[in-house]
Amino acid sequence: QSALTQEASVSGTVGQKVTLSCTGSSTNIGSYFVGWYRQVSHGPPRTVMLGNSLPSGIPDRFSVSKSGTTASLTISGLQPEDEGDYYCSSWDHSLETRLFGGGTRLTVL
Amino acid sequence: EGQLVESGGGLVKPGGSLRLSCVASGLKFDDYAMNWVRQAPGKGLEWVASISVRSDYIFYADSLKGRFTISRDNSKKTLYLDLSNLRVDDTAFYYCATSEAVRRPPDSWGQGSLVSVTS
Repeated sequence: QSALTQEASVSGTVGQKVTLSCTGSSTNIGSYFVGWYRQVSHGPPRTVMLGNSLPSGIPDRFSVSKSGTTASLTISGLQPEDEGDYYCSSWDHSLETRLFGGGTRLTVL
Repeated sequence: EGQLVESGGGLVKPGGSLRLSCVASGLKFDDYAMNWVRQAPGKGLEWVASISVRSDYIFYADSLKGRFTISRDNSKKTLYLDLSNLRVDDTAFYYCATSEAVRRPPDSWGQGSLVSVTS
């Protein structure tokens, strides 16, 4: 059981806006930058958001927000290539470890 | 753009040892903290260990402490992970990744190296 909780699955149609959430606690998400990663067919992870920064090559339809101990990744204008498994990650200063969420499978219908 | 290339994975028997390497190119290796993250077949991402630029801060997942050792050689732009007393459930792809600092999220990722522990 992950210390960061993500939805198991989310789906949307092309062009729709979807939001993935990542819930933790004050010792992790509430205190540190959150990273978001996409993985396709169990290839290597690709970073889609680092804190509030969009890595090079990631379209600006990706955005993030944070409220207390929950971080959210929003994809506006969903595209077929957005499909994959999305993971969130945060440092935890109480455990002195890095945490990953269990992952959300995003399906584009 | 920088690149990370892992090597050293393979087939090993339970109780065996292995050394993984991650060579960086096209990036200033000694500007980055480094991380190892693994993924068992059909499972999610699991953090293994992180090391600061000067190796003065090193952190491990509790479940792996004592069996795995992370280290780096900045002159060779190489990150290492020594795995010992391997178990079947250590079977996974092992990825190296950069980060701005130990407590910052991973950024650039390698392609991964597969470790298979089987009798």
